[in-house]
Amino acid sequence: ELKVEQNPLFLSMQEGKNYTIYCNYSTTSDRLYWYRQDPGKSLESLFVLLSNGAVKQEGRLMASLDTKARLSTLHITAAVHDLSATYFCAVDINTNAGKSTFGDGTTLTVKP
Amino acid sequence: DTEVTQTPKHLVMGMTNKKSLKCEQHMGHRAMYWYKQKAKKPPELMFVYSYEKLSINESVPSRFSPECPNSSLLNLHLHALQPEDSALYLCASSRISGYTEAFFGQGTRLTVV
Repeated sequence: ELKVEQNPLFLSMQEGKNYTIYCNYSTTSDRLYWYRQDPGKSLESLFVLLSNGAVKQEGRLMASLDTKARLSTLHITAAVHDLSATYFCAVDINTNAGKSTFGDGTTLTVKP
Repeated sequence: DTEVTQTPKHLVMGMTNKKSLKCEQHMGHRAMYWYKQKAKKPPELMFVYSYEKLSINESVPSRFSPECPNSSLLNLHLHALQPEDSALYLCASSRISGYTEAFFGQGTRLTVV
């Protein structure tokens, strides 16, 4: 059974600081996704990582994938309040993208 | 159009009621999904439809009955639900190829009383 673990589960950081969220998974996979969810809202796709060594960046967020270590990271650079949300990683081991196993999520709060 | 539209946004129903949740997408996606999300938890997969056929049922109780009338629509029929079924129900769609993310609707907040 595929297990996906995120840490930390809760992260409080000050504006301007950098931090990294980690996502470990238990079974070989080359498809990993990062989603963002604002309170009471739906999930928004941030990154799709499809190969070992993949790195993608959008604004202050950068995601990477190491399939050999079964690890993905989401790095936050110079955090701003608008980044406050819950971030989920999700891993596929089947052909359908939607059959993803999600991590428990990291709730990020960025304080002034 | 990259939207997945769900209706209603909020639903309160009694344990003896029958109701339906609706989901629509016009992105040409041939895979559609229902997820259930409890507060402060990750989404849990319920059903997957591929080319309008049910391909995955994650051991969901029969009081939840999915239906895919065509490639753009997905319904979830609800009957005799329990209070513990109260949750956010999310619909999603994706290309079949598997190397793409899922697009999620805004969800239906369901309360069973």
